[in-house]
Amino acid sequence: RKEVEQDPGPFNVPEGATVAFNCTYSNSASQSFFWYRQDCRKEPKLLMSVYSSGNEDGRFTAQLNRASQYISLLIRDSKLSDSATYLCVVGPSNTGNQFYFGTGTSLTVIP
Amino acid sequence: DAGVIQSPRHEVTEMGQEVTLRCKPISGHNSLFWYRQTMMRGLELLIYFNNNVPIDDSGMPEDRFSAKMPNASFSTLKIQPSEPRDSAVYFCASRPESGYEQYFGPGTRLTVT
Repeated sequence: RKEVEQDPGPFNVPEGATVAFNCTYSNSASQSFFWYRQDCRKEPKLLMSVYSSGNEDGRFTAQLNRASQYISLLIRDSKLSDSATYLCVVGPSNTGNQFYFGTGTSLTVIP
Repeated sequence: DAGVIQSPRHEVTEMGQEVTLRCKPISGHNSLFWYRQTMMRGLELLIYFNNNVPIDDSGMPEDRFSAKMPNASFSTLKIQPSEPRDSAVYFCASRPESGYEQYFGPGTRLTVT
C-alpha cells in the first residue's frame, strides 16, 4: 500500500467554481501534513501546511481528519492561475524522518 | 536570495554512460533531499542527508545509483551505468533545521536513449 494516495484527476472546472481534493495516508503516526503546488515543468512549491484544526489562506482551505487518515484541499472561486498539479505531502512520524509525496492531482480551470 | 541550484538543467545521454547531477542547497539549510519524478510513479525520495550525512538511502533504486555530500554546500547524484528507465526529472531539495518546508531546485531533466 502506498504511503500517500491521491486521485490523479484530471479535474477540469470552470472559472469561479469550487473544487475539492482528497488525499489518504497509511501511517497513523504521521505528524505533519502539507499541500504543495507544481506548475507544468516546474518544481513543487509549498502551498500551505495543514493543521488539525483546519486552516484557511484566502480562497484555499485545508482540513485534516486523523481518524480517517485523510487530508483535503478546497479551492473556492477558482482562477485560471490555479491550474496546476497539487501534491499531498505527509510526514514525518515517530518511526522515521521521511516525507512522502502523493502523485498529485491535476487541476485545469477553464475560462 | 539564491534558491536551490541544480545542474545541468537538461541531460541527454546514451545507455551505459555515466551521469552526474549536481546540487547546491540554500545556504544554512542542513537537510538535503534527492527526488526522482516520473508520470507513472510521481515524486520518489531517493536519499536524504542531514548535516552532510546520509540518513536514509532506501529509495535508491539499485547499486547503479550513488550520492555524496562532501560539504554543506554541494551534493552529487551519480548514475553509472545509465539505463533508459532512468529517464526522469531529478529534483534536489533542501530544508532548514528549524522548519518542515522543503525548497526544491528547478530539476534536471534526464533522458537516456
